[in-house]
Amino acid sequence: AQTVTQSQPEMSVQEAETVTLSCTYDTSESDYYLFWYKQPPSRQMILVIRQEAYKQQNATENRFSVNFQKAAKSFSLKISDSQLGDAAMYFCACHPSGGYQKVTFGTGTKLQVIP
Amino acid sequence: DTAVSQTPKYLVTQMGNDKSIKCEQNLGHDTMYWYKQDSKKFLKIMFSYNNKELIINETVPNRFSPKSPDKAHLNLHINSLELGDSAVYFCASSQAGLANTGELFFGEGSRLTVL
Repeated sequence: AQTVTQSQPEMSVQEAETVTLSCTYDTSESDYYLFWYKQPPSRQMILVIRQEAYKQQNATENRFSVNFQKAAKSFSLKISDSQLGDAAMYFCACHPSGGYQKVTFGTGTKLQVIP
Repeated sequence: DTAVSQTPKYLVTQMGNDKSIKCEQNLGHDTMYWYKQDSKKFLKIMFSYNNKELIINETVPNRFSPKSPDKAHLNLHINSLELGDSAVYFCASSQAGLANTGELFFGEGSRLTVL
């Protein structure tokens, strides 16, 4: 079983600034994937970024990057040059690799972008 | 083309009624899911099917009955609706087996309101 904790229910950032969303997780698996999903007001969940636990290098996708600290079981998301369209709920998630295991989500962080 | 599509997007119904939500994916994935998102945005898995077979069944009342006629479709039928069933229900799909990185592709959600 795994748990995912997001300790920031809400965050705000000025447009064009940088913001970091926190996530910690716990799993007994040796190999797993970590994700950040975005849920805008339109409701549909979209994958933002993915990290394989066996890779030391932090994943990046354009303005989105992660700080993956495996020993600390920490997986934070950094959004650079924040844009109004980044305003959404962000969910951190964990999935053991292979097989038919379930994805566990955190409780989400609501990000507000201030013009 | 919509990858994962759900219908209807909105349902408003009275307590005690029965309702169904349909889901279809055109991604060629073998695994499909139903997630429930409550009013606090918490996402919880309900069911998962792989190639028409039930593989995950969380503690869900037996008033909820999933049906998968083929691997591209997963429907959810709810009997005797209760107020607490009000939520957004998300269908999702992913690749199966060793290719299963856990990345989920979500539908737009179906908002169920029970009066």
